Amino acid sequence: EVVMTQSPDTLSVSPGDRVTLSCRASQSVSSDLAWYQHNPGQAPRLLIHSASTRAIGIPARFSGSGSGTEFTLTISSLQSEDFAVYYCQQYNKWPDSFGQGTTLEI
Amino acid sequence: QVQLVQSGAEVKKPGSSVKVSCKTSGGTFSSYAFSWVRQAPGQGLEWMGGIIPISGSTSYPQKFQGRVAITADESTGTVYMELTSLKSEDTAIYYCARGPPLYYWGQGTLVTVSS
Repeated sequence: EVVMTQSPDTLSVSPGDRVTLSCRASQSVSSDLAWYQHNPGQAPRLLIHSASTRAIGIPARFSGSGSGTEFTLTISSLQSEDFAVYYCQQYNKWPDSFGQGTTLEI
Repeated sequence: QVQLVQSGAEVKKPGSSVKVSCKTSGGTFSSYAFSWVRQAPGQGLEWMGGIIPISGSTSYPQKFQGRVAITADESTGTVYMELTSLKSEDTAIYYCARGPPLYYWGQGTLVTVSS
């Protein structure tokens, strides 16, 4: 099974900051990597798929990059609504797997 | 418009089983895979398994092998997740989602396991 590891676990940030979140896979997952935003009490929201393709309706301040085993999610200028937990997910090899999440906090 | 509507909250005893349904509308049911994801209190998202309805193929992480079964009824566009031998640690919100990637999600079903 592919193990996904995110870093850091928690990131203290401020509105307007540029933020970079990392995700590493234990083996290559090609570009079959998605990023989700999750707020308490809501279903997760797909931000990025195929490592770098923004999902429909996602603001341009969100961008993804990487392939193989190393991936990043960048938020160019943090907005107040972006404070949430972010997860990466590989779907290259069944069973799929999520990282443990990165929490963005003020 | 694609919608996934899950069944309601459940309270179960340890050792029992739970079966959660996810009825889909919009889109072509058999053209997509479906996944089940859970979040226990204070924990992250956990992928529990997936199904490709057109082939019936399923996959489960080792952690859930033998305890979870995901099925699909193409006639009604409904996906099911059954979890057996419930423990208190299975208390969580369970989500169905279409994909991967998981663009469309159900509203979540709270399953509480308590004696």
